[in-house]
Amino acid sequence: DAGVIQSPRHEVTEMGQEVTLRCKPISGHNSLFWYRQTMMRGLELLIYFNNNVPIDDSGMPEDRFSAKMPNASFSTLKIQPSEPRDSAVYFCASSWGVNTEAFFGQGTRLTVV
Amino acid sequence: QQQVKQSPQSLIVQKGGISIINCAYENTAFDYFPWYQQFPGKGPALLIAIRPDVSEKKEGRFTISFNKSAKQFSLHIMDSQPGDSATYFCAARHTGNQFYFGTGTSLTVIP
Repeated sequence: DAGVIQSPRHEVTEMGQEVTLRCKPISGHNSLFWYRQTMMRGLELLIYFNNNVPIDDSGMPEDRFSAKMPNASFSTLKIQPSEPRDSAVYFCASSWGVNTEAFFGQGTRLTVV
Repeated sequence: QQQVKQSPQSLIVQKGGISIINCAYENTAFDYFPWYQQFPGKGPALLIAIRPDVSEKKEGRFTISFNKSAKQFSLHIMDSQPGDSATYFCAARHTGNQFYFGTGTSLTVIP
């Protein structure tokens, strides 16, 4: 298996632009997580899907952030409009059911200038 | 609110020494405690994990010690090697399957 695949690996955008991050979980996994990693706050859970349904989005910082999972093999995290303070590495992770580990993608490094 | 508190923030150890990283939590609904290792430019990868019904788990040079009553757990790396230099995250999983991470410890092992 190729693991969790995220795209793009790097994204540089101007403040105010829309940014879309993409994630393909491991085939057969039914839980998907989006995390944001910064030096100041470490790894923060943004949102968690189970069987394509958002279960907990309390970590989404503002209404500018939205996430979707239209099917079991694809999820997006969108920021609109983007701001410099959104600059971070965004990770997607997936797992199968309970009592299993979360597998992480390589991350998307977002820079908003 | 930080669900899992991790210390120290950074750690420098001589080759062959013991590296110790500590974590603490409050939520008794956590039922699984993994440690992740992250190298620069990569995503975190599972290193070792423990469940609260066990007080210690050892895998090679890596050991987790778990104190349920104190709500604390720690990672011990024996005979630390330069290749162990990475950032280490403790985590705790809620019964609803959400994972919460500590803020990370940057480990440097000096040759």
